[in-house]
Amino acid sequence: GAVVSQHPSWVICKSGTSVKIECRSLDFQATTMFWYRQFPKQSLMLMATSNEGSKATYEQGVEKDKFLINHASLTLSTLTVTSAHPEDSSFYICSAPTRYEQYFGPGTRLTVT
Amino acid sequence: AQSVTQLDSHVSVSEGTPVLLRCNYSSSYSPSLFWYVQHPNKGLQLLLKYTSAATLVKGINGFEAEFKKSETSFHLTKPSAHMSDAAEYFCVVSEPTGGFKTIFGAGTRLFVKA
Repeated sequence: GAVVSQHPSWVICKSGTSVKIECRSLDFQATTMFWYRQFPKQSLMLMATSNEGSKATYEQGVEKDKFLINHASLTLSTLTVTSAHPEDSSFYICSAPTRYEQYFGPGTRLTVT
Repeated sequence: AQSVTQLDSHVSVSEGTPVLLRCNYSSSYSPSLFWYVQHPNKGLQLLLKYTSAATLVKGINGFEAEFKKSETSFHLTKPSAHMSDAAEYFCVVSEPTGGFKTIFGAGTRLFVKA
């Protein structure tokens, strides 16, 4: 089946710094990708829809200036957490859809100290 | 807009007994429905999916789910639980709009007792 990769798989950063997470569809093109956040023992919450060639669409309550999304090509979307704070520590997961199925990346665990 | 409700936050069964994880959904369209499993500190694994074909869907590891439109349900079952089934299970709905925007249920933690 289709494969979606994420890089890095885990990252530790200091409060106030920015972190970029990459999401790649390895063997298919995706004009749309999705970014989710999962806090410990909770479900995945959709943060935003990444659109190739246009601005991302953010879910209610998600700060677009804090979570910058760039869909640079048909196989790459990036999420940059700007001025990270400890409360941004979470598991970030991306997905890319084909016609009837979402393919999820393995996730990136972000820890902000 | 679509939504999905997993009726149990946790389910506990004994090894070798049946598993039932309940899920109800709402959708303005003909949705696609999925069950995913997530083991601790691991990524998501697709168990099975319904995409308007057969209403009884068989997945991996002996799991299956039945799509019941009249009840707007998509419950996940397995005849005999195994210790390795202990994990978090997510029911997921996806609509053919907005690039197949996908919404996750809150999750059901399955405990399997020896």
